[in-house]
Amino acid sequence: GQNIDQPTEMTATEGAIVQINCTYQTSGFNGLFWYQQHAGEAPTFLSYNVLDGLEEKGRFSSFLSRSKGYSYLLLKELQMKDSASYLCAVNSGGYQKVTFGTGTKLQVIP
Amino acid sequence: DVKVTQSSRYLVKRTGEKVFLECVQDMDHENMFWYRQDPGLGLRLIYFSYDVKMKEKGDIPEGYSVSREKKERFSLILESASTNQTSMYLCASSFPGQGPGELFFGEGSRLTVL
Repeated sequence: GQNIDQPTEMTATEGAIVQINCTYQTSGFNGLFWYQQHAGEAPTFLSYNVLDGLEEKGRFSSFLSRSKGYSYLLLKELQMKDSASYLCAVNSGGYQKVTFGTGTKLQVIP
Repeated sequence: DVKVTQSSRYLVKRTGEKVFLECVQDMDHENMFWYRQDPGLGLRLIYFSYDVKMKEKGDIPEGYSVSREKKERFSLILESASTNQTSMYLCASSFPGQGPGELFFGEGSRLTVL
């Protein structure tokens, strides 16, 4: 079966750094995605990791350890507009079947 | 820019009605997906399709069917709607040979079954 775990909610202060963790147990692994979803909107792609290590994209970075079944999304210099849900998703099969975690709702406070 | 368009943003239907949710993408993507999103449960995959007339069951296909007669269009069908199918339905598409093959989502269709 597929199991993807991430914290339900987090709160962080504007200008700070926050790390959102994701652990997964899946029957296969072809890569891990992070998506951002603002309330009432569709998810949008943030990052993709297929090899171990850190991928950096501006204020956002994502890390993967395949042996540990673990990933994190790091958000630096938090802004109020970063308040959103962050979804961890694993491509675990052929034809890019993607399974999502339940998402982490991040609230950025002044 | 990729555009994934879902036909209805909001629908209200009665128990037992047949419901069609339409999704169209304009980027010639091979793969198309239907998810439902519920509080506390996240996005769950209902069905996906990797080619015209091809379909695969996702994690929660019961009570749903799909149709893909043309590459750009993927329809979700609720043969007899029930109250537990009240949800936000999200369509997505991807192109496996282009970059990581991330999903591009439509705006969603919020279905209420009374």
